[in-house]
Amino acid sequence: AQSVTQLDSQVPVFEEAPVELRCNYSSSVSVYLFWYVQYPNQGLQLLLKYLSGSTLVKGINGFEAEFNKSQTSFHLRKPSVHISDTAEYFCALRTAGGTSYGKLTFGQGTILTVHP
Amino acid sequence: DTAVSQTPKYLVTQMGNDKSIKCEQNLGHDTMYWYKQDSKKFLKIMFSYNNKELIINETVPNRFSPKSPDKAHLNLHINSLELGDSAVYFCASSQGLVEGETQYFGPGTRLLVL
Repeated sequence: AQSVTQLDSQVPVFEEAPVELRCNYSSSVSVYLFWYVQYPNQGLQLLLKYLSGSTLVKGINGFEAEFNKSQTSFHLRKPSVHISDTAEYFCALRTAGGTSYGKLTFGQGTILTVHP
Repeated sequence: DTAVSQTPKYLVTQMGNDKSIKCEQNLGHDTMYWYKQDSKKFLKIMFSYNNKELIINETVPNRFSPKSPDKAHLNLHINSLELGDSAVYFCASSQGLVEGETQYFGPGTRLLVL
């Protein structure tokens, strides 16, 4: 079975500072990896995803993530955060191959709070 | 236009009642999903339909019954509601089952069982 672990439940940071949200995964087969953001009382919105190719993936709102197969990680980074980035962030995976039927396995979420 | 919409947004009800949550997508997608987010914000898939056919049915009590009248709709009916059913329920959709495809989520339905 596969799993996703987000290593920090809460990350406080000052505005304009860099941030990294950590995600590790476990799977016996190849995976696709996703980062979603959830603003208060809203649904999830895709930030970025890794399917194949370049291990550095750029997403919306200035976020990027790096896939590291040897460390089974997919950390999310932003060089300079804004107050509006305050939200909860979810890392998720989907196993490659036809038997996943689109099933996403999520991590526990990381609450990012940006302070002025 | 909202891509994936859910009704109602909030639902407060008594234990033992039966309730339904509706989901509609206007993206022309073939695949729809129901996820449950518990009080600890942990998201877990419940069901998935592809072209109105059930393809994922996780370990969910049979009090929960999904119904897909057409590809654009996936409703969730819950019988004999229990306190533990209190959660946020998210509907999502994707084009199909192409690997790595993006799932688009609705705004969620916040269910509180008293």
